[in-house]
Amino acid sequence: EPEVTQTPSHQVTQMGQEVILRCVPISNHLYFYWYRQILGQKVEFLVSFYNNEISEKSEIFDDQFSVERPDGSNFTLKIRSTKLEDSAMYFCASSEWGQGGYGYTFGSGTRLTVV
Amino acid sequence: ILNVEQSPQSLHVQEGDSTNFTCSFPSSNFYALHWYRWETAKSPEALFVMTLNGDEKKKGRISATLNTKEGYSYLYIKGSQPEDSATYLCAFTSGGSNYKLTFGKGTLLTVNP
Repeated sequence: EPEVTQTPSHQVTQMGQEVILRCVPISNHLYFYWYRQILGQKVEFLVSFYNNEISEKSEIFDDQFSVERPDGSNFTLKIRSTKLEDSAMYFCASSEWGQGGYGYTFGSGTRLTVV
Repeated sequence: ILNVEQSPQSLHVQEGDSTNFTCSFPSSNFYALHWYRWETAKSPEALFVMTLNGDEKKKGRISATLNTKEGYSYLYIKGSQPEDSATYLCAFTSGGSNYKLTFGKGTLLTVNP
């Protein structure tokens, strides 16, 4: 069964450093998403991406965050200057259709620890 | 602010027991309700997506129902097995923002052999 792949599975970074989280969505999917879960809290939406542009973003997704699809297969989330509160599990997801009436396929996550 | 609540937060059952959990969500501007099963260190796995009031879906021993008028969904597991142990997440999309899933906190199910 096709999978969404995320790398790395765990990243430790110093506060103020830039990090790039990588995702390879399912090849025929057109819609891509990033979510995160801070330990003990709900999974939260960050951003959705379609046709090489952001289609929706949450208030969490401020100027420190950016997304890119640099080639035909990768989808990246960059955090420019990490803060302690950015420590979370970050999930990439993709879907064939953009409307929420269809299931999304999630990756297994990148655990980001900011020290 | 859209709020999705799940209960109970955690549940321990014996192998063979049947169990159910609840997800409540805003009933206005409803678009879809998703259930995901999430085992530690793995990807959340889509179980069901429901859009119509009265929808009932089934996958093996797991089934779900949807009431959009009162804003709740139930997930049922019949004859629980240890491999059913996982966190069960529900997520809601609204008509105003149907790209975005708003999640509940999940129900952690532990099935003891």
